Amino acid sequence: GNSVTQMEGPVTLSEEAFLTINCTYTATGYPSLFWYVQYPGEGLQLLLKATKADDKGSNKGFEATYRKETTSFHLEKGSVQVSDSAVYFCALSGYGAGSYQLTFGKGTKLSVIP
Amino acid sequence: DADVTQTPRNRITKTGKRIMLECSQTKGHDRMYWYRQDPGLGLRLIYYSFDVKDINKGEISDGYSVSRQAQAKFSLSLESAIPNQTALYFCATSDPQGGVGTDTQYFGPGTRLTVL
Repeated sequence: GNSVTQMEGPVTLSEEAFLTINCTYTATGYPSLFWYVQYPGEGLQLLLKATKADDKGSNKGFEATYRKETTSFHLEKGSVQVSDSAVYFCALSGYGAGSYQLTFGKGTKLSVIP
Repeated sequence: DADVTQTPRNRITKTGKRIMLECSQTKGHDRMYWYRQDPGLGLRLIYYSFDVKDINKGEISDGYSVSRQAQAKFSLSLESAIPNQTALYFCATSDPQGGVGTDTQYFGPGTRLTVL
């Protein structure tokens, strides 16, 4: 079946540090890949996505590239801010049980300190 | 106003009680979903509905039921709540524009349910 593995947290960084959150996946066919972010007390919201190999998703300074050869979709940001503190979820949309469904990783909590 | 709303936002109940969580959306999307979130486990799909007449079980449907009253409303029921159903529950919607399997899901703010 489909699965997503992302690095465990929590991750604590100083403001302006470089961020990488690793995400690898297992899926049949050609899934779409997503990063969702959950700010404290809120629901998840889409951060970025990529729908085919070598696509790069980007938003708010975050980037991730769909690497089919390494089955990865690592999230990066060059300079994090305190406002980036949140839980980040990697997810894939893959076909299973008759429809496309989202499969989520377990989430990585990021704390950015001034 | 929020596009996806959930009521109640918090609920404490006792084992054996019947509970209904409600979700409403103003996005005009046909597809709606219910997930639960547990610490360290990510989100897991309970039920999903691709239109009013289409309801499907997800990964963890045992102990839950749903009702799609209209395009905009999708309710989740716990017929007889048990403590291991204590979790954060999210409703989501999507619209598969741009191709099947690529749709973005839009989440409500969540309902925190505690079963004593």
